[in-house]
Amino acid sequence: DTGVSQDPRHKITKRGQNVTFRCDPISEHNRLYWYRQTLGQGPEFLTYFQNEAQLEKSRLLSDRFSAERPKGSFSTLEIQRTEQGDSAMYLCASSLTGATNEKLFFGSGTQLSVL
Amino acid sequence: GQNIDQPTEMTATEGAIVQINCTYQTSGFNGLFWYQQHAGEAPTFLSYNVLDGLEEKGRFSSFLSRSKGYSYLLLKELQMKDSASYLCAGTNDYKLSFGAGTTVTVRA
Repeated sequence: DTGVSQDPRHKITKRGQNVTFRCDPISEHNRLYWYRQTLGQGPEFLTYFQNEAQLEKSRLLSDRFSAERPKGSFSTLEIQRTEQGDSAMYLCASSLTGATNEKLFFGSGTQLSVL
Repeated sequence: GQNIDQPTEMTATEGAIVQINCTYQTSGFNGLFWYQQHAGEAPTFLSYNVLDGLEEKGRFSSFLSRSKGYSYLLLKELQMKDSASYLCAGTNDYKLSFGAGTTVTVRA
């Protein structure tokens, strides 16, 4: 499978716990994005990397959220001290700079449930 | 930022045509994407418009008017498998900003 991979697919945690998600983008893609989606809403931008550099973070991203892409390949998104409001689908996407129409390819997401 | 508006729901009959409208107010607008998302799955790319006009791709077509801040997605010869959410997204240089999506239900 050469698409965007996310792990785990589902995560159930108790409030206050830390969670970490992983995303493996399409191998030649230099841009990587994290989005969050709740039921009945479109994906909401969280943050974006070009290679290993994190170039933008949404104001919606509190200081409990941190993302890394240490070698410009896979990325991790960590949420510390989870709250019930963090329950959502976390989507990762990747794209290639300069490609025609530079569309985003999405992974299947990690569904987070905070109890 | 970008403000994207699209209807919440639409229902149509198998074999019919449905048009999903999208209006946007943007800063730094480059182009307009449409994505399809089935329940519990990832969004998948349908179309991209950067110039004014109609882009046709099989049963799906997408239209853009930059001067009016308006786009639509046209789904022809509807099939049951077309029941999904359709997401309109505006893009600047690198970031897609999505609308809330339009849930299309196709009935037999």
